[in-house]
Amino acid sequence: GAGVSQSPSNKVTEKGKDVELRCDPISGHTALYWYRQSLGQGLEFLIYFQGNSAPDKSGLPSDRFSAERTGGSVSTLTIQRTQQEDSAVYLCASSPGTGTQGNTIYFGEGSWLTVV
Amino acid sequence: AQTVTQSQPEMSVQEAETVTLSCTYDTSESDYYLFWYKQPPSRQMILVIRQEAYKQQNATENRFSVNFQKAAKSFSLKISDSQLGDAAMYFCAYRSAMALNYQLIWGAGTKLIIKP
Repeated sequence: GAGVSQSPSNKVTEKGKDVELRCDPISGHTALYWYRQSLGQGLEFLIYFQGNSAPDKSGLPSDRFSAERTGGSVSTLTIQRTQQEDSAVYLCASSPGTGTQGNTIYFGEGSWLTVV
Repeated sequence: AQTVTQSQPEMSVQEAETVTLSCTYDTSESDYYLFWYKQPPSRQMILVIRQEAYKQQNATENRFSVNFQKAAKSFSLKISDSQLGDAAMYFCAYRSAMALNYQLIWGAGTKLIIKP
């Protein structure tokens, strides 16, 4: 696609439920990132995928969070047993990974998660 | 470790005037990339401008330009002829040019208000 696509754009869920957030990166981009941004805060790194390499999961805040990337393209971020502190915007981004623009990261519109 | 500092939590400017947002960073690396991202209320993170550290020439994108002072580790963003649509949070970010160092280091952001 033309840009990074995320779905759903907004999600309201009850505390304790599981949620899945989807990210479709820019076609051909090998690197994919997930960030979290709480209201009024900066970006918090969650996880990074690069090609077929093992992902860097060092930013995941707890074992309730997991992510996968199928076929080197679409990624799903799963939050199990959601808590109110999980309420935030979840931003996905991708980058070419190589070439002159390899270091430029492009973001999706985010998935706004509200846990009630 | 690298750090990025945006010392202005909020700036305001009259429509059609010029405003400069400041950003300083700390690094021991000689090759890196610097970015300004804009985040409007829609929460999407939009790339405004990009600067390669090895380039002496300041990057420009239409009404947006940077003043890159490598020795001083300063990377300010100038917005000329400010428009109402420029109102947003502006984030400065740093990324190493080292292939395996893919993290973006973010500043805390500056909220830009445009007064009509």
